[in-house]
Amino acid sequence: DIQMTQSPSSLSASVGDRVTITCRASQSIRSYLNWYQQKPGKAPKPLIYAASSLQSGVPSRFSGSGSGTDFTLTISSLEPEDFATYYCQQSYSALFTFGPGTKVDLK
Amino acid sequence: QVQLVESGGGVVQTGGSLRLSCAASGFTFSSYAMHWVRQAPGKGLEWVAVVSYDGSDEYYAASVKGRFIISRDNSKNTLYLQMDSLRVEDTAVYYCSREAGRSGDYWGQGTLVTVSS
Repeated sequence: DIQMTQSPSSLSASVGDRVTITCRASQSIRSYLNWYQQKPGKAPKPLIYAASSLQSGVPSRFSGSGSGTDFTLTISSLEPEDFATYYCQQSYSALFTFGPGTKVDLK
Repeated sequence: QVQLVESGGGVVQTGGSLRLSCAASGFTFSSYAMHWVRQAPGKGLEWVAVVSYDGSDEYYAASVKGRFIISRDNSKNTLYLQMDSLRVEDTAVYYCSREAGRSGDYWGQGTLVTVSS
């Protein structure tokens, strides 16, 4: 199975900060990488698919990059509604495994 | 609009069974693969299973393989998860999601399964 890791596991930031989250796969997954945002008690919200394509309705301050084994989610200027937990997910194999998540909270 | 509504969660004893349902509306259900994803209390997301658009292919996480069965009834626009031999560690909120572009683009609100010893 493909294993996914994320770093950091948590970070503290302020509104307006640029935030970068890293995701790494245990083998090449080409560009089959998705990002989700989740707030407490809510279902995950899809943000990015195929490593860099924004889901419909997602603000342009979110961007994704990478291919192979290393990927990045960037929030260019953090807004109050962006404090949440972010998960990457590989969809290269039939088993769509998730990373452990990165919690972004208020500094 | 696309809607996914899970049901069937509840409290069950260790070793028991439960069947979850996910009612789909607002799209052509028979054209999309569908997934189950779960989240234990205070933990991260765990992918559980996927079924192809026509039900001909299924894949499972190692943690549930041999105990859970994913299925679908395209005539009823409904996805199922039959869960047998339940363990305490199966306690979680279970979400269904639609797959589009190799990504889960729509998710239900989740249904809570609690397995008690």
